[in-house]
Amino acid sequence: AQRVTQPEKLLSVFKGAPVELKCNYSYSGSPELFWYVQYSRQRLQLLLRHISRESIKGFTADLNKGETSFHLKKPFAQEEDSAMYYCALYPGSNYQLIWGAGTKLIIKP
Amino acid sequence: KAGVTQTPRYLIKTRGQQVTLSCSPISGHRSVSWYQQTPGQGLQFLFEYFSETQRNKGNFPGRFSGRQFSNSRSEMNVSTLELGDSALYLCASSLDRARDTQYFGPGTRLTVL
Repeated sequence: AQRVTQPEKLLSVFKGAPVELKCNYSYSGSPELFWYVQYSRQRLQLLLRHISRESIKGFTADLNKGETSFHLKKPFAQEEDSAMYYCALYPGSNYQLIWGAGTKLIIKP
Repeated sequence: KAGVTQTPRYLIKTRGQQVTLSCSPISGHRSVSWYQQTPGQGLQFLFEYFSETQRNKGNFPGRFSGRQFSNSRSEMNVSTLELGDSALYLCASSLDRARDTQYFGPGTRLTVL
């Protein structure tokens, strides 16, 4: 079954420390993966997608097909990174995104 | 471009009532998806409409329904409200498929008493 797992409901790190938000997926085909972010009092919005290979706001995510993971990383966390992060999978054959449960990231000063 | 708009922003209803929520997508977007967001469950997919047709439906009871109009505006309806229906209901629009960037509205906060 297609599934996205974000094992951490809450992740708290100090400002300036590295951040890694984990995302694991279960899908037999070639996935398209996304990270969406929701800052406090703002709309949920796309952060990045794996096919674009971009770095957005210092975040990167590499698709590891062997480990079926798409972890989101940032070398030096900033307080404005505090938000809710969702990993999502597009399985292609269906029309809906498969969403993870989300990870709340708190950056401590 | 104007963003996705949702009305109303807040609703308070009592058990057994019904409610209709509205979503206006970004101009040119033909796909509209609806989600229920709660602290405990995260984002739960309700359904997706494209060109007035429901293309996909999540695992919700038949009390939850929706429709899309020819101008791509969409409504969702919840009948016989239950306490557990209290949530933030999000609408997202995209050009065509779910792999296209989803643009979310601010949501409608529904409270069922």
